[in-house]
Amino acid sequence: NAGVTQTPKFQVLKTGQSMTLQCAQDMNHNSMYWYRQDPGMGLRLIYYSASEGTTDKGEVPNGYNVSRLNKREFSLRLESAAPSQTSVYFCASRQGALTEAFFGQGTRLTVV
Amino acid sequence: RKEVEQDPGPFNVPEGATVAFNCTYSNSASQSFFWYRQDCRKEPKLLMSVYSSGNEDGRFTAQLNRASQYISLLIRDSKLSDSATYLCVVEGAGGFKTIFGAGTRLFVKA
Repeated sequence: NAGVTQTPKFQVLKTGQSMTLQCAQDMNHNSMYWYRQDPGMGLRLIYYSASEGTTDKGEVPNGYNVSRLNKREFSLRLESAAPSQTSVYFCASRQGALTEAFFGQGTRLTVV
Repeated sequence: RKEVEQDPGPFNVPEGATVAFNCTYSNSASQSFFWYRQDCRKEPKLLMSVYSSGNEDGRFTAQLNRASQYISLLIRDSKLSDSATYLCVVEGAGGFKTIFGAGTRLFVKA
């Protein structure tokens, strides 16, 4: 049982480059999330998808776009990477409100 | 004001000590509360949910105080393996967003 799988695990980008972070879950969960974690800041919500076909902005959505491709997959796109987007990105899924969230192992992104 | 605020860390305690963390939240309509544990460079994992009546899991006890809008985590008989960052999590406005606190680092020393 893989749970939540994120790819890639590590990435270095140059300023202005674009990339897509992939996330897939095999638990048949309805809700999926993207967070970023910076030192001393905790996890901050970028976007979430309460169910297939819906996406909503979180606390820090600027500079990102998301796609809920199907129930399993939720991708995060950086159109023009900036050094301020250097962070660890976590994808999470859960069945719905009031339930436990399961996280992927994270993507460590550095923008130079 | 942040939606979820935690005790500043780090907490440095000897093995066998009892340590308590508090976490305050601003949204009085919040309905679900959790404590997650995060080891260095790893993903967060659920430690325990926090129920209105309080709950206990072995050496860990979680309490919720709705009137004062805070939750707490008590760890008894600390082990070296308890060293980690503890994240307070609150269900934010809208029902589907989970809001994380910045975390409190705990170091348990021999």
